[in-house]
Amino acid sequence: DQQVKQNSPSLSVQEGRISILNCDYTNSMFDYFLWYKKYPAEGPTFLISISSIKDKNEDGRFTVFLNKSAKHLSLHIVPSQPGDSAVYFCATPTGNQFYFGTGTSLTVIP
Amino acid sequence: EAGVTQFPSHSVIEKGQTVTLRCDPISGHDNLYWYRRVMGKEIKFLLHFVKESKQDESGMPNNRFLAERTGGTYSTLKVQPAELEDSGVYFCASSQGTSYEQYFGPGTRLTVT
Repeated sequence: DQQVKQNSPSLSVQEGRISILNCDYTNSMFDYFLWYKKYPAEGPTFLISISSIKDKNEDGRFTVFLNKSAKHLSLHIVPSQPGDSAVYFCATPTGNQFYFGTGTSLTVIP
Repeated sequence: EAGVTQFPSHSVIEKGQTVTLRCDPISGHDNLYWYRRVMGKEIKFLLHFVKESKQDESGMPNNRFLAERTGGTYSTLKVQPAELEDSGVYFCASSQGTSYEQYFGPGTRLTVT
């Protein structure tokens, strides 16, 4: 049973516009979340994270929002660039392991 | 600084054979994780080492999988005997201390025919 869910397998966005990637989780005890970006034939790379004591964390063009009551987080990329085209995974640590979502494939159209 | 490396990048074996995957974490990283991703599915946790000790191996599918981390440096993941459902991309990741930020290797694509 998946603890972290990314219900949109893919997303296409025009260059310069905003990309919004969503992630839902099941356990209200989860208290830290990460987003990873993955290019083909490469491993995931860390992008941005957020602790449950915050509801927003920003790093340049990337902002993660956390809605604890809805058990939902989202990653906003603005403005989107063609180089952002990749698969994005949300993840959360629990104990000694991590739960990852199934990923959302983002395509930014020039 | 060298990143996480994995060998081989791709392995094709027949059902019933044995395969050993290797991971070299970033030097100084005590935490080492193994994951597997089947196409289109989530990145699924397999196990976690701290130095040479297994902290959590609850994600290992069954006793056909054996992971070791000799001297707390590189790690190997052996699948014996391999089954068709073992196919997927196996990722290794490492992290330092209590940091949640993991550094992933490029993965080993295992195909069992």
